[in-house]
Amino acid sequence: ETGVTQSPTHLIKTRGQQVTLRCSSQSGHNTVSWYQQALGQGPQFIFQYYREEENGRGNFPPRFSGLQFPNYSSELNVNALELDDSALYLCASSPSAARGQYFGPGTRLTVL
Amino acid sequence: AQSVTQLGSHVSVSEGALVLLRCNYSSSVPPYLFWYVQYPNQGLQLLLKYTTGATLVKGINGFEAEFKKSETSFHLTKPSAHMSDAAEYFCAVSGPMKTSYDKVIFGPGTSLSVIP
Repeated sequence: ETGVTQSPTHLIKTRGQQVTLRCSSQSGHNTVSWYQQALGQGPQFIFQYYREEENGRGNFPPRFSGLQFPNYSSELNVNALELDDSALYLCASSPSAARGQYFGPGTRLTVL
Repeated sequence: AQSVTQLGSHVSVSEGALVLLRCNYSSSVPPYLFWYVQYPNQGLQLLLKYTTGATLVKGINGFEAEFKKSETSFHLTKPSAHMSDAAEYFCAVSGPMKTSYDKVIFGPGTSLSVIP
């Protein structure tokens, strides 16, 4: 199963700005998760949405927020950007926990 | 709390040689286990998964992994390495769900190099 897309591919912002990253999940995948992957590290869980409601969150501050829409698209919003927010942001959708998650190609965010 | 360790941040093998990437997990209950591969500047691709049933799991591209509960391990193997196998490999664990969501915990990754 494939078909998770993310936009934009690359993004450059300055410290203090706000950013919105977008993801389009595969039809039928009710769960979407967002991950932050710093250079040379494994993905870190930010949060998960199930049927448009946040139902789990990792160790990220409230300035990281999200939305999930009925058409299987979702957003990750980050306010007050910091230099350490520079990373690859991955969206993953899933039909169920046992079937694993299917990842998009990611958005590379650079904060200057 | 669940966690994943991957022994060896970098592994080099010769083309045609056995590939062995190690993964150990800690979990209070039998988890779901996954291996993902990531090629440069790309997202993660699911290689294989273990949920229940047979402990030897076969995945794509000739990879397989064996779940050993007594050793809390889920090592990834491939009999003969190919140049195209050079990538970053992540072991991951999740579930079974005692919470309402399937949070996936990833290991730090192992970078595989294949030498011609």
